[in-house]
Amino acid sequence: GAVVSQHPSWVICKSGTSVKIECRSLDFQATTMFWYRQFPKQSLMLMATSNEGSKATYEQGVEKDKFLINHASLTLSTLTVTSAHPEDSSFYICSAPSGSPYEQYFGPGTRLTVT
Amino acid sequence: AQSVAQPEDQVNVAEGNPLTVKCTYSVSGNPYLFWYVQYPNRGLQFLLKYITGDNLVKGSYGFEAEFNKSQTSFHLKKPSALVSDSALYFCAVRDGGSNYQLIWGAGTKLIIKP
Repeated sequence: GAVVSQHPSWVICKSGTSVKIECRSLDFQATTMFWYRQFPKQSLMLMATSNEGSKATYEQGVEKDKFLINHASLTLSTLTVTSAHPEDSSFYICSAPSGSPYEQYFGPGTRLTVT
Repeated sequence: AQSVAQPEDQVNVAEGNPLTVKCTYSVSGNPYLFWYVQYPNRGLQFLLKYITGDNLVKGSYGFEAEFNKSQTSFHLKKPSALVSDSALYFCAVRDGGSNYQLIWGAGTKLIIKP
């Protein structure tokens, strides 16, 4: 099946710094990718839809200047958490629909801890 | 508005017994329904989906789910639970007329006791 990778799998950073998370579709092209945030023992919260070659679409309440998304190619989308604060600590997951319009393939997630 | 409900935060089942994880949904058009499983600190793994056709859908790891249109439900089932089935299970729905965006349930923690 289709594979989506994320890098890094975990990262610890200091308050005020920026962190970039990569999401790659390894064996298929993804014009659309989704970025989710998941708090402990909670469901996934869709943050934004990343579109190759155009601006991302952010969900209501998500600060686009804080969570910068760049979909640079058909296999790579990046999420940059700018000026990170402890409340940004979370599990970030990306996904991409494959050739079938019915399924999304998920990356393994990135655990971000801001100290 | 589209929504998914998983009424149980946690389900406890003894190993070898049948298990059911409940899911009900609300969409405006034809529903596309999905179950995903998440193991600790890992991403989601696809279990099964219902798009059209037979109401009983078989998926990975021996799981199956039954689509019930009249009850707007899509409960996940397995005839005989394994300890390794212990994980967090999410039900999701997509409106057939929308883009790929999924609406997620809150998740149900499944605990299988030996």
